Amino acid sequence: AQSVTQLGSHVSVSEGALVLLRCNYSSSVPPYLFWYVQYPNQGLQLLLKYTTGATLVKGINGFEAEFKKSETSFHLTKPSAHMSDAAEYFCAVSALYAGGTSYGKLTFGQGTILTVHP
Amino acid sequence: DAGITQSPRHKVTETGTPVTLRCHQTENHRYMYWYRQDPGHGLRLIHYSYGVKDTDKGEVSDGYSVSRSKTEDFLLTLESATSSQTSVYFCAISEFSGEPQHFGDGTRLSIL
Repeated sequence: AQSVTQLGSHVSVSEGALVLLRCNYSSSVPPYLFWYVQYPNQGLQLLLKYTTGATLVKGINGFEAEFKKSETSFHLTKPSAHMSDAAEYFCAVSALYAGGTSYGKLTFGQGTILTVHP
Repeated sequence: DAGITQSPRHKVTETGTPVTLRCHQTENHRYMYWYRQDPGHGLRLIHYSYGVKDTDKGEVSDGYSVSRSKTEDFLLTLESATSSQTSVYFCAISEFSGEPQHFGDGTRLSIL
């Protein structure tokens, strides 16, 4: 079984400030981790993913995330917020089971709404 | 953008009526998924498909059924809609298990 917890349903930052969105996961097998962004009335768009290898992953729009196995975390950061970053962000986990497949099923966190103030 | 079309985009219907939502893809991807999105719950998996006529239940499958008779189409049916099924429904596709999923624009369904 797997689960995802996003700490903070709403995060507010000033334009130019650091963005930090927190995600903790639980998985009985090595996880695949994803961050998605959703703009109003749209579907979800992939920001970045972690599968194996380098634990610091870079995504689109200047976002990056670091996989920390010891902390079971995959926090999303961006050094300098832009007004266009205002959206809802979702962390998700999938897992490939040894000797089988999870069929790519995703378990999502509850989402974090990011507000950017001028 | 991945070629995913959901129809209808909006629907209002009454309790007890059957409803079918369609997801059509032009990517020839093997895996297709139906999720529902509700405030405070993120997205939750309803059903998924790993090939033509190969489907299985997700986390919140009660009251829903699916069919996939050809690679490009994945149908979600509410046999007898209830108000608790008012939600935004998203279809997603992926080429391989574990690969990122690509999402459609969603169907907003209201059941009165």
